[in-house]
Amino acid sequence: DTEVTQTPKHLVMGMTNKKSLKCEQHMGHRAMYWYKQKAKKPPELMFVYSYEKLSINESVPSRFSPECPNSSLLNLHLHALQPEDSALYLCASSQSGRAYEQYFGPGTRLTVT
Amino acid sequence: GQSLEQPSEVTAVEGAIVQINCTYQTSGFYGLSWYQQHDGGAPTFLSYNALDGLEETGRFSSFLSRSDSYGYLLLQELQMKDSASYFCAVQFADKLIFGTGTRLQVFP
Repeated sequence: DTEVTQTPKHLVMGMTNKKSLKCEQHMGHRAMYWYKQKAKKPPELMFVYSYEKLSINESVPSRFSPECPNSSLLNLHLHALQPEDSALYLCASSQSGRAYEQYFGPGTRLTVT
Repeated sequence: GQSLEQPSEVTAVEGAIVQINCTYQTSGFYGLSWYQQHDGGAPTFLSYNALDGLEETGRFSSFLSRSDSYGYLLLQELQMKDSASYFCAVQFADKLIFGTGTRLQVFP
């Protein structure tokens, strides 16, 4: 199984809402990543988890809160977002030490109104 | 900071060979990866160069020259399904930094 799944596929939320994005993989990967991607732009790294611990936070605003409940799951909690946060949010995983070969999920298309 | 520049768009016809360049202004990275992303799809890993030189994977080859701060992805025997965006990315320990991306359009 080389699949990374993400839910929901689409999400529309108001600026006062709280929502969560979910990501799951069953490849035994111990590194997991959150990216933000705007249209016609490259993926932009937000967070890296290694062995369920947050190892990199790329100066992401606190309205984005990641969580890694176990080695297969990654969540991204969203609160008080701004319209400019509308984007495709991609989750990825890789074997530890092999960040060069990441497996991406299909993403969640987020619209903030 | 790190910067990886790619041409924004490349066009070619089916059966042709196309080269997508990646020039960078960064150092101390572990290696250079390439990813493909179809419209509405997820990025998928294509190849990785840890060392200078050419790596071949089927119709795709990738090249890295650290002395020239340059890499490229070579796609041979182009097919319509190769129409997609292609990103180079440098690896620093636990993370990837992606290049600006190149949109490849293949025409019949």
